[in-house]
Amino acid sequence: NAGVTQTPKFQVLKTGQSMTLQCAQDMNHNSMYWYRQDPGMGLRLIYYSASEGTTDKGEVPNGYNVSRLNKREFSLRLESAAPSQTSVYFCASTDSGGAYEQYFGPGTRLTVT
Amino acid sequence: GNSVTQMEGPVTLSEEAFLTINCTYTATGYPSLFWYVQYPGEGLQLLLKATKADDKGSNKGFEATYRKETTSFHLEKGSVQVSDSAVYFCALGKAAGNKLTFGGGTRVLVKP
Repeated sequence: NAGVTQTPKFQVLKTGQSMTLQCAQDMNHNSMYWYRQDPGMGLRLIYYSASEGTTDKGEVPNGYNVSRLNKREFSLRLESAAPSQTSVYFCASTDSGGAYEQYFGPGTRLTVT
Repeated sequence: GNSVTQMEGPVTLSEEAFLTINCTYTATGYPSLFWYVQYPGEGLQLLLKATKADDKGSNKGFEATYRKETTSFHLEKGSVQVSDSAVYFCALGKAAGNKLTFGGGTRVLVKP
């Protein structure tokens, strides 16, 4: 049982390049989330998917798109990376029947130059 | 809207000292409350939780009590170890979309 996995662990992009961050969970959870973590700002929700087939914007969605590929996988795409998107990105999942506790992946450290 | 405020760090302690990290929240209704811990280079792990007023969450020697009258969920540990050095996040959860709202995190450094 791997929990929540994310790829890649590290990535460096040039301004304007695109990339997709991958996330998968093997806990049969319904809901999945993408956060970014910036120094001194805690975690901010980018997008979430309450269930397979649905996605919704979070607090900071601009510059990102998501795809809930199936129940296991939830990807985050940066179409045209900007230096302001330099951050650590975390994926999380939860069983909607639980007390809302979320399980986090190990993160992707992204640098945009 | 929902918000979580926690004390800024870093908090530097000696081993075996008492640790308190303050957390207060603003929310409508009755949220669930969480403490997450992030060790260097890792993702967040759930440390403890409380789902209703007066509940006490506990794990690994850490405790926090859900105080609705003061809208607080302070984290405490009686005797910290070097291995407790980490960043601690307070969070609240509400039903709609199972979204969590996080505080800014408190870095704790325990010295031998």
